[in-house]
Amino acid sequence: EAGVVQSPRYKIIEKKQPVAFWCNPISGHNTLYWYLQNLGQGPELLIRYENEEAVDDSQLPKDRFSAERLKGVDSTLKIQPAELGDSAVYLCASSLAGALNEQFFGPGTRLTVL
Amino acid sequence: GENVEQHPSTLSVQEGDSAVIKCTYSDSASNYFPWYKQELGKRPQLIIDIRSNVGEKKDQRIAVTLNKTAKHFSLHITETQPEDSAVYFCAATLNDMRFGAGTRLTVKP
Repeated sequence: EAGVVQSPRYKIIEKKQPVAFWCNPISGHNTLYWYLQNLGQGPELLIRYENEEAVDDSQLPKDRFSAERLKGVDSTLKIQPAELGDSAVYLCASSLAGALNEQFFGPGTRLTVL
Repeated sequence: GENVEQHPSTLSVQEGDSAVIKCTYSDSASNYFPWYKQELGKRPQLIIDIRSNVGEKKDQRIAVTLNKTAKHFSLHITETQPEDSAVYFCAATLNDMRFGAGTRLTVKP
């Protein structure tokens, strides 16, 4: 069984540029999560989807971050414009329905903003 | 919202010794507590989890204990091996999973 797939694995951009990350969850997983992980810290939730509905986006900085999961399968996270402080690893995870199940993480996208 | 504190931030043990990592959480309604292991440059992977209706769970060399009254839970690794070296994260789940800051475990051969 394929795991959670993310692309790109690495991205280097200049500040003020836009950037997008893509995630394909494990087949059959209705719940999809985007996390931000700073160096030496635990993952911090940005947004959680149940199918195509964003059920918790309270931690998503909506002035510059947006996300979508149009068909309830793969998802895209966008930053526009990127700032220096956005440099981090962006992790996608998926699980069976609901937050009380094991979350399977993707390899992450390491973003560097110059 | 839920707040999770994890201690220690770094832990160094000799191969064969035991390692214990402790976490506390703030919301008594949290009911699912997973532990993830993250090797350098890799994705976090679940190693063990416990739900609020259970006080202890064991899987070979790894065990987790939960004290709901005190709102803390601990990871115990016995007979540590060099391949146990990694960063370990605890988490507490109410509506969403909140992670601790992590413990970097180093097992010296």
